[in-house]
Amino acid sequence: KQEVTQIPAALSVPEGENLVLNCSFTDSAIYNLQWFRQDPGKGLTSLLLIQSSQREQTSGRLNASLDKSSGRSTLYIAASQPGDSATYLCAVGNNAGNMLTFGGGTRLMVKP
Amino acid sequence: EPEVTQTPSHQVTQMGQEVILRCVPISNHLYFYWYRQILGQKVEFLVSFYNNEISEKSEIFDDQFSVERPDGSNFTLKIRSTKLEDSAMYFCASSEAAGTTDTQYFGPGTRLTVL
Repeated sequence: KQEVTQIPAALSVPEGENLVLNCSFTDSAIYNLQWFRQDPGKGLTSLLLIQSSQREQTSGRLNASLDKSSGRSTLYIAASQPGDSATYLCAVGNNAGNMLTFGGGTRLMVKP
Repeated sequence: EPEVTQTPSHQVTQMGQEVILRCVPISNHLYFYWYRQILGQKVEFLVSFYNNEISEKSEIFDDQFSVERPDGSNFTLKIRSTKLEDSAMYFCASSEAAGTTDTQYFGPGTRLTVL
C-alpha cells in the first residue's frame, strides 16, 4: 500500500526566500505525481503534474522534481511571497490516473 | 477557465439521514472522482467513475455510499445513512482522461456535518 509523507509539516519563512518542500513515497511504481495548493477551508488547486518518466516540471516560480528510484519529489518555490502562504499537498497516482494517494501536506507561511 | 463546481458548500444533517452531494465536472472530462478530508487528516480517495461505472473504490466506499451520473452534467455522491464519522470535507474531481499526463481538477468541496 502506497504511503506518502511530507516533511516538514509546517514552515515559516521571510518573504523573498527560496524554499524546498519534500515529499516521499514508499512504492516507486508510480504513474504520476501532482502538487496541489490548499487554502484554508478551500479546495485543491493543481500546481504541477510530473509524469513517471519525467525528472522535473516547471511553472513560473515553481519547480518540481521527481526521483522515482529513491521515492522522492521536491517542490522548489523561488522568491517566496506572502501570497504563497497555504498548505502544499503532494499526491501520487499509482495506476491509470485513477486513485491519488495524498501526503499530509506542508503548511507554509511567508512573512512580509 | 473551466472549473469543477460543487453544491451545497455546507450540509448539516442528522445521523441516520441520507445526503446527496452534487458536483458538476468540467464539461469535456470523462473521469470523475470523490475524495474526502476529515478535519486535520489527509485527503483520502473514495471512488473513481468512468463510462457510467465505478472503475476503482477504496475500502472507505462501503455499501452506504453510491455514485451516479444522473444526466450529462451532474455527478453525485449519496450516503444512505450518515454516521458521525462521515463528517468531513468531500471533494469532487474530474480529469479529461486517465493517462500519465492527466491532471485531476478539484472542486471547492462540500463540508458535511453529521450531528
